[in-house]
Amino acid sequence: EAGVAQSPRYKIIEKRQSVAFWCNPISGHATLYWYQQILGQGPKLLIQFQNNGVVDDSQLPKDRFSAERLKGVDSTLKIQPAKLEDSAVYLCASSLDQSVGETQYFGPGTRLLVL
Amino acid sequence: AQSVSQHNHHVILSEAASLELGCNYSYGGTVNLFWYVQYPGQHLQLLLKYFSGDPLVKGIKGFEAEFIKSKFSFNLRKPSVQWSDTAEYFCAVLDQTGANNLFFGTGTRLTVIP
Repeated sequence: EAGVAQSPRYKIIEKRQSVAFWCNPISGHATLYWYQQILGQGPKLLIQFQNNGVVDDSQLPKDRFSAERLKGVDSTLKIQPAKLEDSAVYLCASSLDQSVGETQYFGPGTRLLVL
Repeated sequence: AQSVSQHNHHVILSEAASLELGCNYSYGGTVNLFWYVQYPGQHLQLLLKYFSGDPLVKGIKGFEAEFIKSKFSFNLRKPSVQWSDTAEYFCAVLDQTGANNLFFGTGTRLTVIP
């Protein structure tokens, strides 16, 4: 079974530039999550989708971050404009559905460096 | 709000030593708890989880964790570590609002010396 795919794996940009990350969840998984993991910290949830609808985006800095999952499969996370403090690993995860305790499967992450 | 504390930031052990990594959570109600592991260069993956029932949970690769409600703890243990256990270990608690969101601790880096 193919896992969660993410691209790019690495990205270096200057502050105030924009950047986009892509995620393809495990086939058949209805729920998709984006996490931000800053160096030395645990992953922090940014947004959760159930199919193409947003379940929780309370931790998403909406002035600069946006995410979409238009067809309920792939998802894109965008940062515009980027700040130095956005340097982190952005993890995508998926689960079969949003049932409590449903196992989340993580992708390899995109490592972002903002200069 | 839920939160998770992992007090050990970096643990160094020799092979065959016993392991115990601490995890404490703040939520006082029903909790669902997880341990995830990230091996060097690999994805985060589930090690074990606790929902209800037997407070001693067995996971993959010989790991286990014990849920102690009175201590708000969910410590991870392994009787004899191997070099291949070198990884970062994250404890997590499930959001109780029903959205299946995880709150992670800051992680503990385990280095096993051959």
